[in-house]
Amino acid sequence: AQKVTQAQTEISVVEKEDVTLDCVYETRDTTYYLFWYKQPPSGELVFLIRRNSFDEQNEISGRYSWNFQKSTSSFNFTITASQVVDSAVYFCALSGPTDSWGKFQFGAGTQVVVTP
Amino acid sequence: DAGVTQSPTHLIKTRGQQVTLRCSPKSGHDTVSWYQQALGQGPQFIFQYYEEEERQRGNFPDRFSGHQFPNYSSELNVNALLLGDSALYLCASSLNRGDYTDTQYFGPGTRLTVL
Repeated sequence: AQKVTQAQTEISVVEKEDVTLDCVYETRDTTYYLFWYKQPPSGELVFLIRRNSFDEQNEISGRYSWNFQKSTSSFNFTITASQVVDSAVYFCALSGPTDSWGKFQFGAGTQVVVTP
Repeated sequence: DAGVTQSPTHLIKTRGQQVTLRCSPKSGHDTVSWYQQALGQGPQFIFQYYEEEERQRGNFPDRFSGHQFPNYSSELNVNALLLGDSALYLCASSLNRGDYTDTQYFGPGTRLTVL
């Protein structure tokens, strides 16, 4: 079965500090996709980034960056120079052919609290 | 470009009742997935609809059923409500890609409270 583990329950930082969120996944699929979503207090899940298993190149998009390491089954996400508006719950998710691509397996989420 | 919409926003029901939640997908999307998110947990997959058929189902009892209409909108029905059904119900839409996954875009959710 596919599984996503987000060991950090809550991270508290002061504005402008960097925040790194950990995500470890388990899958028997050789091809799969990984995602990060943000859930602010309003409740809507907002898509942030997507990565397929064939592309381990790490990228930066604005204040977001990610570190995908297939060898350790990790897909970590970093917010640089955090802002109060980054306060939210962040979810890592996995999708693959085992679940016919349709089911997204989510982790339990990490609450990020950014204080001024 | 309208995103995913859901109605109602909030709903209060009593045990044993039945409830229907509605979802309109993002423009251009043909696939709708439903998730249940209990307080403090990650979303759990209920089922997915494509071409008006249930394509895949998670570990939810038959009390949970759904429907997709020709315009791709969808309904989630829950019968014989239990206290444990209290949760945020999220709808996600995507485009069917066949042999790989498309990003799922989520609506604002329906908060269901069962008393």
